[in-house]
Amino acid sequence: EAGVTQFPSHSVIEKGQTVTLRCDPISGHDNLYWYRRVMGKEIKFLLHFVKESKQDESGMPNNRFLAERTGGTYSTLKVQPAELEDSGVYFCASSQDLGAVYNEQFFGPGTRLTVL
Amino acid sequence: AQSVSQHNHHVILSEAASLELGCNYSYGGTVNLFWYVQYPGQHLQLLLKYFSGDPLVKGIKGFEAEFIKSKFSFNLRKPSVQWSDTAEYFCAVNGDAGNMLTFGGGTRLMVKP
Repeated sequence: EAGVTQFPSHSVIEKGQTVTLRCDPISGHDNLYWYRRVMGKEIKFLLHFVKESKQDESGMPNNRFLAERTGGTYSTLKVQPAELEDSGVYFCASSQDLGAVYNEQFFGPGTRLTVL
Repeated sequence: AQSVSQHNHHVILSEAASLELGCNYSYGGTVNLFWYVQYPGQHLQLLLKYFSGDPLVKGIKGFEAEFIKSKFSFNLRKPSVQWSDTAEYFCAVNGDAGNMLTFGGGTRLMVKP
């Protein structure tokens, strides 16, 4: 079974440009999460989709970040315009909805974003 | 709000040494606790988890962790590390506010052969 995949693995852009990150969750996983790790800091939650709906977007830093999950399959995270402080590793995770209190999240390899 | 603190940012050990990585969390309600590991070039993967019951939990690759509620701690241990344990280790919690994970800052472990 394929795991969570993310594209691209690395992206280097200039300040002011736009970047779109993509996450393909494990097939059948309704829950999809985005996290971010800025250099030297902890991994921080950005948002949570259940199917195509945003369940929790409390971690989104500002309105330059837009996440979508049309059709409830893959998700994109767009940063427009990118700023220097957006550099970091963006992780995606997915989980099934088994009706439990907590369902294990499986992580992708991350996208390393560098804004120059 | 929940928060997680990992005391050591970098740890260097020789093979066969014992390992203990500290993790403390701040949250007033019921928590689920996790340790994740990221080996060089690989995905984050779950080492072990605690939801309820026996506070001493065993995970993969000989790791274990002990939940001490009175100390708000969930320290990771391994009696004898191997070179292949070189990785970054993350403690994380999930409270009753939803499914999001709150991570600590991570501990980079280097095991010298």
